[in-house]
Amino acid sequence: ETGVTQTPRHLVMGMTNKKSLKCEQHLGHNAMYWYKQSAKKPLELMFVYSLEERVENNSVPSRFSPECPNSSHLFLHLHTLQPEDSALYLCASSQDRSSIWDSGAKNIQYFGAGTRLSVL
Amino acid sequence: GQQVMQIPQYQHVQEGEDFTTYCNSSTTLSNIQWYKQRPGGHPVFLIQLVKSGEVKKQKRLTFQFGEAKKNSSLHITATQTTDVGTYFCAGHAGKSTFGDGTTLTVKP
Repeated sequence: ETGVTQTPRHLVMGMTNKKSLKCEQHLGHNAMYWYKQSAKKPLELMFVYSLEERVENNSVPSRFSPECPNSSHLFLHLHTLQPEDSALYLCASSQDRSSIWDSGAKNIQYFGAGTRLSVL
Repeated sequence: GQQVMQIPQYQHVQEGEDFTTYCNSSTTLSNIQWYKQRPGGHPVFLIQLVKSGEVKKQKRLTFQFGEAKKNSSLHITATQTTDVGTYFCAGHAGKSTFGDGTTLTVKP
């Protein structure tokens, strides 16, 4: 166990559905991340939150809507997805967000097990 | 923007052979991390390198950070079937950037 819990582990949804992915970290970290990992593709960073504030949004379509109500929880709200959105969605947390002065362990990322999403 | 290139994309080896993956950054890094993702699993932190020219070892794994802090390598000696998976580097310089990963398969 990494201290980062994602639910659900598997999700099948139609293109007109609305669903949410949940991530919870029990590590006391200040930064949380959403990644998309498609088959045979690298990790694609979607969003970064630091102290509950969104600090990075990497050109993600508006059908993905993140929410960070507190430093321990992160959600990804899904709406009218496309079949190409089928992928493994990974949540991660780190003690702090990476900075140019950071040479310590504060930006080591701890990943959850992921949610395997299939869009039909 | 910051880019982290990782090669090769795939590597197939016979059990017992050595394996190396390389990571190159377009900018000088404050530190670099290595992660391993087993098939069907999630990335797990392996090690962090901070100092110029740093070398760290974990059993059969040797990690190096270049003198200019722009490149790094992971070398596995005498691979075993338990080494299969995708190895990612993540460079840090104001933001974290993951490489595309090297997927290692080991033939028994």
